[in-house]
Amino acid sequence: DTAVSQTPKYLVTQMGNDKSIKCEQNLGHDTMYWYKQDSKKFLKIMFSYNNKELIINETVPNRFSPKSPDKAHLNLHINSLELGDSAVYFCASSPGLADQETQYFGPGTRLLVL
Amino acid sequence: GQNIDQPTEMTATEGAIVQINCTYQTSGFNGLFWYQQHAGEAPTFLSYNVLDGLEEKGRFSSFLSRSKGYSYLLLKELQMKDSASYLCAVTDSNYQLIWGAGTKLIIKP
Repeated sequence: DTAVSQTPKYLVTQMGNDKSIKCEQNLGHDTMYWYKQDSKKFLKIMFSYNNKELIINETVPNRFSPKSPDKAHLNLHINSLELGDSAVYFCASSPGLADQETQYFGPGTRLLVL
Repeated sequence: GQNIDQPTEMTATEGAIVQINCTYQTSGFNGLFWYQQHAGEAPTFLSYNVLDGLEEKGRFSSFLSRSKGYSYLLLKELQMKDSASYLCAVTDSNYQLIWGAGTKLIIKP
């Protein structure tokens, strides 16, 4: 039973295309996140959703849009893909925003833009 | 600004002990996490400290000094499978998790 799952695991696409990455958690958590991990392995928070409301939106281009149909899902849609978008994207969830909560990560989606 | 510093890479010998340091400067503090990330895999939770002192969990221990903005992760009886990146992360006053760039630990036989 996978706690946090993402699809697809690998995504190779051309510049200018639009793509989506899906994330689902079956932990009953209230908060979900999207991270981008670049080639230097630095994890950068992109979005977090708490009870379906966007609560953090870092300086991410508006080509990236999170969509949460319910609290178990947080999908990431990317318009007009650029070369610099190539990275690993991790979805994560936590029970809530409280400081003692840990985050559980999905397996990652490896995006390569050609 | 908010900043998490940790060494980029460390090398240690199988069976030995290694200490990975992390210093932080954040707007507020609500806890410090250590995560392990094997190459090509997702980060997995190792430890959480919110009070000063040492938390021990098997071969891994984590220490925190809030006054110094400092933490370390101590790994004992190193095994080859401990080769991974170790990420330090701090929750700030807004409950935002600020991540360090990670320390790549290489274990040699």
